[in-house]
Amino acid sequence: DAGVTQSPTHLIKTRGQQVTLRCSPKSGHDTVSWYQQALGQGPQFIFQYYEEEERQRGNFPDRFSGHQFPNYSSELNVNALLLGDSALYLCASSSGPSNEQFFGPGTRLTVL
Amino acid sequence: GEDVEQSLFLSVREGDSSVINCTYTDSSSTYLYWYKQEPGAGLQLLTYIFSNMDMKQDQRLTVLLNKKDKHLSLRIADTQTGDSAIYFCAETMDTGRRALTFGSGTRLQVQP
Repeated sequence: DAGVTQSPTHLIKTRGQQVTLRCSPKSGHDTVSWYQQALGQGPQFIFQYYEEEERQRGNFPDRFSGHQFPNYSSELNVNALLLGDSALYLCASSSGPSNEQFFGPGTRLTVL
Repeated sequence: GEDVEQSLFLSVREGDSSVINCTYTDSSSTYLYWYKQEPGAGLQLLTYIFSNMDMKQDQRLTVLLNKKDKHLSLRIADTQTGDSAIYFCAETMDTGRRALTFGSGTRLQVQP
């Protein structure tokens, strides 16, 4: 049983560009959450998708958007990249009331 | 508001017990979690405790929850060099599909 997978592993972009990150949840999970982890910090919640809708959103600007597909996989899009968007982007999947969130290995985004 | 705090660093000798502490501010926290992150990797869920419990034991791991003081601890018995990592505590306010709020992490260094 594959766990949470993310692609790509690493990505380098320049300021002003747009990026799309992808996530496939653990088998049997229907909820996907995205987190941003800056160097030396704990993960910060971006948003969560369930039933193809954004259910909850953290304190991130509208440049950050997402999507969930019928097979529960998800994308995170970031427009007009800033240097400060450089971070590890983590996807987590979950299902049910205990909210055990299982994380993927992350995508390391570097904005130059 | 939500806030989760951890000490930055802990160093122990191999074979000793490690105790990693966390405090949180939100009294409506429902579930509290411990995650482990090794260098360059995603987060591994170690264990979690529901807010109506005081203690949970899982092999070498013991979680203690003091709701009155909003204090959570993770004890690792017989600490091994492979336990060297960053440990994050996290909390969520409600049941179901909700965001996790993370502390900034405690770096555990195990000396041989």
